[in-house]
Amino acid sequence: GENVEQHPSTLSVQEGDSAVIKCTYSDSASNYFPWYKQELGKGPQLIIDIRSNVGEKKDQRIAVTLNKTAKHFSLHITETQPEDSAVYFCAAIEPAAGNKLTFGGGTRVLVKP
Amino acid sequence: SAVISQKPSRDICQRGTSLTIQCQVDSQVTMMFWYRQQPGQSLTLIATANQGSEATYESGFVIDKFPISRPNLTFSTLTVSNMSPEDSSIYLCSVDGGWQETQYFGPGTRLLVL
Repeated sequence: GENVEQHPSTLSVQEGDSAVIKCTYSDSASNYFPWYKQELGKGPQLIIDIRSNVGEKKDQRIAVTLNKTAKHFSLHITETQPEDSAVYFCAAIEPAAGNKLTFGGGTRVLVKP
Repeated sequence: SAVISQKPSRDICQRGTSLTIQCQVDSQVTMMFWYRQQPGQSLTLIATANQGSEATYESGFVIDKFPISRPNLTFSTLTVSNMSPEDSSIYLCSVDGGWQETQYFGPGTRLLVL
């Protein structure tokens, strides 16, 4: 089955700086990669996703890149703000497993004002 | 995106008892999923619940411990049976977004077993 690894586990940045979270996956058949943000006491919220036929996708201050050959994808947050502080999870979908989502271990991001 | 609610939002239970968690979505969906998130950890899929069929459980999870119902296309329940302190976790339901394969999550149920 799919295995997703996520780094770093914690990330502290100064407000206004950029944050980058990296994930690798093992199943070359995986074709959909969502990113979720989980704030304290809440469920995960989808913030951006990318499909395997696209190399990069951007939505305001958030961007995701995908390298299919290397089987890794990254989340980039620019101009970080205190409200970006949360736990971020990457995930990959296994088409052969009924579209099961496999999650990375999570990254706790702290944006210091 | 779908609007998902869960009940209860949190509970404190005694060991040996059972708790049933409800998940309600505001639109009809094909697939509903149940996840467990242990303290400070990532999400682990417990089972997939399709309407009209038995739930499909992941390795390490069994129906006797986590029975699931899916009576219609907008509702599902997960029961945590014969609870022990190790069952203390956040339990999350999610629904598929259709052809885009996106999953949307409910707010979670925070369970503490004493």
